[in-house]
Amino acid sequence: DIVMTQSPLSLAVTPGEPASISCRSSQSLLYSNGYYYLDWYLQKPGQTPQLLIYLGSRRASGVPDRFSGSGSGTDFTLKISIVEAEDVGVYYCMQALQPPQTFGQGTKLEIK
Amino acid sequence: QVQLVESGGGLVKPGGSLRLSCAASGFTFSDHYMAWIRQASGKGLEWLSHIGSRGSPIYYVDSVKGRFTISRDNAQNSVFLQMTGLRAEDTAVYYCARGRKGAALPSWDSWGQGTLVSVSS
Repeated sequence: DIVMTQSPLSLAVTPGEPASISCRSSQSLLYSNGYYYLDWYLQKPGQTPQLLIYLGSRRASGVPDRFSGSGSGTDFTLKISIVEAEDVGVYYCMQALQPPQTFGQGTKLEIK
Repeated sequence: QVQLVESGGGLVKPGGSLRLSCAASGFTFSDHYMAWIRQASGKGLEWLSHIGSRGSPIYYVDSVKGRFTISRDNAQNSVFLQMTGLRAEDTAVYYCARGRKGAALPSWDSWGQGTLVSVSS
């Protein structure tokens, strides 16, 4: 199984500042079509998870452009250019390359 | 709008069985892979299984293989999870989720509100 490792596990950010979360996979997430099968999800407090980013860098429908995904091979990053109060919650990366799909441990983002 | 409504959760004794259902609406169900993903209280997300748009392929995580069975009925716009041999560690909120349209390696772009399964004597 592919192991997903996130860092940091928690971070506190001042509104208006940027934030960055790292995700590392135990093997490359590159598929033969040239895409990286890495997703980012956000679970806001008391809510169900929502898809933010798929294929490593594509924003899901309705996701603000302050969220961006990047990376290649086994190293991926989610960046929030300007953190807003509504961005609090737990962020998960997930590899969609091969079953069983696996999630990272989650990164809890709090507002300072 | 897309709606996924899970049902069938509850309290069951170790070794018991439950059948979860997820009723979908607001989209063409047969165009999408579907998944079951769970979350124990205060813990992270765990993908359990997913099923292709026409009923195959089907995949499971090892911890539920042989105990859980995913199925779907495209005529009823529903996906199911038959759970047998339940253990205390299966206690969690169970979500059904919709795969991105046309994706054979799906991301999960819509999630239900979840149904709670508690396994305890």
